[in-house]
Amino acid sequence: NAGVTQTPKFRILKIGQSMTLQCAQDMNHNYMYWYRQDPGMGLKLIYYSVGAGITDKGEVPNGYNVSRSTTEDFPLRLELAAPSQTSVYFCASSPPRGNNQPQHFGDGTRLSIL
Amino acid sequence: AQSVSQHNHHVILSEAASLELGCNYSYGGTVNLFWYVQYPGQHLQLLLKYFSGDPLVKGIKGFEAEFIKSKFSFNLRKPSVQWSDTAEYFCAVIPWGDDKIIFGKGTRLHILP
Repeated sequence: NAGVTQTPKFRILKIGQSMTLQCAQDMNHNYMYWYRQDPGMGLKLIYYSVGAGITDKGEVPNGYNVSRSTTEDFPLRLELAAPSQTSVYFCASSPPRGNNQPQHFGDGTRLSIL
Repeated sequence: AQSVSQHNHHVILSEAASLELGCNYSYGGTVNLFWYVQYPGQHLQLLLKYFSGDPLVKGIKGFEAEFIKSKFSFNLRKPSVQWSDTAEYFCAVIPWGDDKIIFGKGTRLHILP
């Protein structure tokens, strides 16, 4: 049982490059989330999805895009990488809120923009 | 806006000392409450959770937390810490009926051997 799988684990980008952070879960969870974690700032929600075909902005969506074509996958896209996007990115999933279950987190992607 | 406040950003303790990390939230209705732990270089893991019932919740590794509704608090405690408890701890809240979990900024705990 893999849980939440994120790829890649590490990546260095140049300013202006684009890339997609992959996230997949095999728990048939409806809800999926993308966070960024910066030192001393906790986790900030970028985007989330409550099911396939449905996405919504979180606290810090600017500079990112997401899609949710399947229940399993929730990729995060950076179109024009900027130094401010240097961070550790975590994907998480959970059953619908009525199930009273916590979120399950992936191992994170450490992204540096130079 | 709903928020979660963790009062201590950085705590340093010696092994066997007692621990209490504060957490307060700003939401007047029913909430689900969590504490997550993040060991160095790892992802967040659930330590314990409160949904309803007994306000004193016991989690893994000897941790417990007490929900005090009148104080909007969910403080984390451990009677005797170990060096392996060195980690960052996050308090989190889901307001009832909401889809999003709100995290505090975290408390970095450093245990001296």
